[in-house]
Amino acid sequence: GDSVTQMEGPVTLSEEAFLTINCTYTATGYPSLFWYVQYPGEGLQLLLKATKADDKGSNKGFEATYRKETTSFHLEKGSVQVSDSAVYFCALSDLSSNTGKLIFGQGTTLQVKP
Amino acid sequence: NAGVTQTPKFQVLKTGQSMTLQCAQDMNHNSMYWYRQDPGMGLRLIYYSASEGTTDKGEVPNGYNVSRLNKREFSLRLESAAPSQTSVYFCASSEAWDRYQHFGDGTRLSIL
Repeated sequence: GDSVTQMEGPVTLSEEAFLTINCTYTATGYPSLFWYVQYPGEGLQLLLKATKADDKGSNKGFEATYRKETTSFHLEKGSVQVSDSAVYFCALSDLSSNTGKLIFGQGTTLQVKP
Repeated sequence: NAGVTQTPKFQVLKTGQSMTLQCAQDMNHNSMYWYRQDPGMGLRLIYYSASEGTTDKGEVPNGYNVSRLNKREFSLRLESAAPSQTSVYFCASSEAWDRYQHFGDGTRLSIL
């Protein structure tokens, strides 16, 4: 079945460092891909999405490109801030059913130190 | 604009007690979902409702029941709580397939 694999965390960076969180997926067809962010004590919020191959999603300085050839959707940010400390989830839409279901990776915790 | 509202935010139960978690959305979405979040395991789908009047099992439905009361509300019931059901529960909704899901702030449930 479809699945999402994220890099293990936690990831600890200093402020202004470059961030990459790897995400690869296995899917039949052409799913939409998403990055969600969860700040401490809160629910998940959509960070960015891409709906087809070569699309680049971007928001708040974060970017991710839908790479069909490598089945990847890596999250990047050029200069992280302490306020970016959160858990990041990669997800894909489940196309096996017309229900809007998402399949999530296990999440990657990011800690940014001043 | 409230979005997805979950109640309660926190609850402690004893083993064997029953409880209903409430979820309501004000975005006129057709689909609603219940997830549980456990450390190191991401989010796992418990049940979902693709439209009013329908419900289906997700990845981990055992020990739970759901009711899609109307288009706005989707409740999750634990009939006889077990310590293994200690978790953070999230409700989400979406307009249609291939649209992103909006999440509530979660219910932190502890079962002793």
